[in-house]
Amino acid sequence: NAGVMQNPRHLVRRRGQEARLRCSPMKGHSHVYWYRQLPEEGLKFMVYLQKENIIDESGMPKERFSAEFPKEGPSILRIQQVVRGDSAAYFCASSPPGTGILSGANVLTFGAGSRLTVL
Amino acid sequence: GESVGLHLPTLSVQEGDNSIINCAYSNSASDYFIWYKQESGKGPQFIIDIRSNMDKRQGQRVTVLLNKTVKHLSLQIAATQPGDSAVYFCADSKGSGYSTLTFGKGTMLLVSP
Repeated sequence: NAGVMQNPRHLVRRRGQEARLRCSPMKGHSHVYWYRQLPEEGLKFMVYLQKENIIDESGMPKERFSAEFPKEGPSILRIQQVVRGDSAAYFCASSPPGTGILSGANVLTFGAGSRLTVL
Repeated sequence: GESVGLHLPTLSVQEGDNSIINCAYSNSASDYFIWYKQESGKGPQFIIDIRSNMDKRQGQRVTVLLNKTVKHLSLQIAATQPGDSAVYFCADSKGSGYSTLTFGKGTMLLVSP
C-alpha cells in the first residue's frame, strides 16, 4: 500500500501561470481532503471531496481555486493565475468510506505534500 | 470564530525527559481532538486521538489529557527520544458528521542527546 501519493512534490510557477496539484488517495479510500500550510502556520482546511462530488468547499478561496475528484484518476487541486501569496505547502489526505465523527474513526492519512513556489 | 492554538512555539528537552505539549481550543462544541506529528518535509502523521467524553487516553509512550472545563488539551511524551523531534499539531473536529479538522499553529519539539 503506497499510501497517499502527491505530485509534484515541488512546483515553481511564475505569477499568472496555472498550478495543478494531484493526489491519489490510499487504496480503498473514497474521501479526499486538501489542506494548505503557509510558512510557520498550521494546516488550513480547503476542501473535502468524494468521487465526483464536492462535499465541503468552505475553506476554498472564492476565486482562482478549484478542486475535483473524478470517477477515474487522482484528485486535482487547480490554482489559476497564481500570485506570490499562493506559495505554500498543499497537503492531501484521504480516509476510508464510513469515516466521520459519528461513525467512529476520524483519522486522516496525509500525503507528503506539494510545495508550490510562485516567483 | 473557532480556533485551536498552542501555548509554546518551541520546546527543548533532553533525551530521556518527559515532554508536555499544550493546546487550547475555543470551540466548546468540539468533541473530537487529534494530535499529529510532522517531521521536516513530510506530511502530518497521526499520533493519538481523544473524544470529549474522555479525560485521558494513553498510547505507546504518549498520553493525551483533555480538560473540558478550561478547554485545554495536552500531549505527554514519556522518555523523549531524538526521533521525537518534530512539529506537533493539535486539531479539533468540526463534528459536522464528516471528517474536517481545524489545526493549531504547531509546537516544535527539539530533543537533545
